[in-house]
Amino acid sequence: KQEVTQIPAALSVPEGENLVLNCSFTDSAIYNLQWFRQDPGKGLTSLLLIQSSQREQTSGRLNASLDKSSGRSTLYIAASQPGDSATYLCAWKGATNKLIFGTGTLLAVQP
Amino acid sequence: DAGITQSPRHKVTETGTPVTLRCHQTENHRYMYWYRQDPGHGLRLIHYSYGVKDTDKGEVSDGYSVSRSKTEDFLLTLESATSSQTSVYFCAISGPRTGRNYEQYFGPGTRLTVT
Repeated sequence: KQEVTQIPAALSVPEGENLVLNCSFTDSAIYNLQWFRQDPGKGLTSLLLIQSSQREQTSGRLNASLDKSSGRSTLYIAASQPGDSATYLCAWKGATNKLIFGTGTLLAVQP
Repeated sequence: DAGITQSPRHKVTETGTPVTLRCHQTENHRYMYWYRQDPGHGLRLIHYSYGVKDTDKGEVSDGYSVSRSKTEDFLLTLESATSSQTSVYFCAISGPRTGRNYEQYFGPGTRLTVT
């Protein structure tokens, strides 16, 4: 059974710091990996989708990487801001259109 | 927002009553999904649809049924609600127009409490 793990479960950093969120998966037959952001009481906002054929994907201050051989993806956030505070979720997608989600990393950026 | 609405947004119901949640999209996407989100379990797929009248089970489908009679609407029904179905329910959509890799977009969620 595919498992997706996110470490750490919670992270607190001072404003301006660069940070890395980790996502690991057990099944290397991956089609893509999607990173989401969720604010308290809200739905999920798609941040980045990285295809299995890609190594990296960038959007503004966000950079996602994918290493299929090691079963890992990272989300790098540059120059963090208090507005980045949220829960970050990664989701693995295989041959079907079903996503398998990690349990998330709760990020707090302190002003 | 990706043109997804969910109704109702909040509902409190009693054990044993039927409940139907509605997901409506304006994007004409082929795929629609129902997830539930619970502390300690994250997001789990309940059912999904790959076209009108075409549905399949997800990871936690027991106690739930779905129907899709139109492209834009996907209904989730709890035939006889139980307290274990207290959760936040999210609808999502994807399709060829969201890109080759079928990026999923989520609705705002429905908070259901079964007393």
